[in-house]
Amino acid sequence: QKEVEQNSGPLSVPEGAIASLNCTYSDRGSQSFFWYRQYSGKSPELIMFIYSNGDKEDGRFTAQLNKASQYVSLLIRDSQPSDSATYLCAVPLMNYGGSQGNLIFGKGTKLSVKP
Amino acid sequence: DTGVSQDPRHKITKRGQNVTFRCDPISEHNRLYWYRQTLGQGPEFLTYFQNEAQLEKSRLLSDRFSAERPKGSFSTLEIQRTEQGDSAMYLCASSLGLGGRTYEQYFGPGTRLTVT
Repeated sequence: QKEVEQNSGPLSVPEGAIASLNCTYSDRGSQSFFWYRQYSGKSPELIMFIYSNGDKEDGRFTAQLNKASQYVSLLIRDSQPSDSATYLCAVPLMNYGGSQGNLIFGKGTKLSVKP
Repeated sequence: DTGVSQDPRHKITKRGQNVTFRCDPISEHNRLYWYRQTLGQGPEFLTYFQNEAQLEKSRLLSDRFSAERPKGSFSTLEIQRTEQGDSAMYLCASSLGLGGRTYEQYFGPGTRLTVT
């Protein structure tokens, strides 16, 4: 059973701080990792993806991947109240042929950014 | 707006009725996925298509659920004899499919089903 684990939170940070969201996964064969943001009552929105060990930066977002530790994180710099949402970590299920199938999601971490 | 559309956005039905949802993926995307999400949970996989072929179905998917993608474009998800436990947000996502950076999945707005 492939699993993706996240701390459900809520994680509360003051405006302007760095929010750090963490995710661990069970499948050592996983090759790509996705972060989605989901506002209450809305569908998930893809905000970051990372395929290689190390860091990937996109604006205020940085994804960090450590395949040896089976750990992926998302940092949000200069957090804004508009960043308040649930952040979902997702990992594709790998098929026998090596292609990627459906995503397995964590339960999400609820982030609250206080003004 | 990701370019994935779903219809209807909301559906209220009585227990025992059949319902059908439609998803239109991003036009050049080969893969189409259906997920279900309940409160406090991440999306749960139901099934996916590569063009018109249904490649995978969740083992948790009841026989009351069926999905089609007849011409490799839009897809429908039907739930027969609905139960209260079917109440959830039904999400559709699409991706390019094979080759290169093609696995990013983009979600539609979802169809919220309430079974009374």
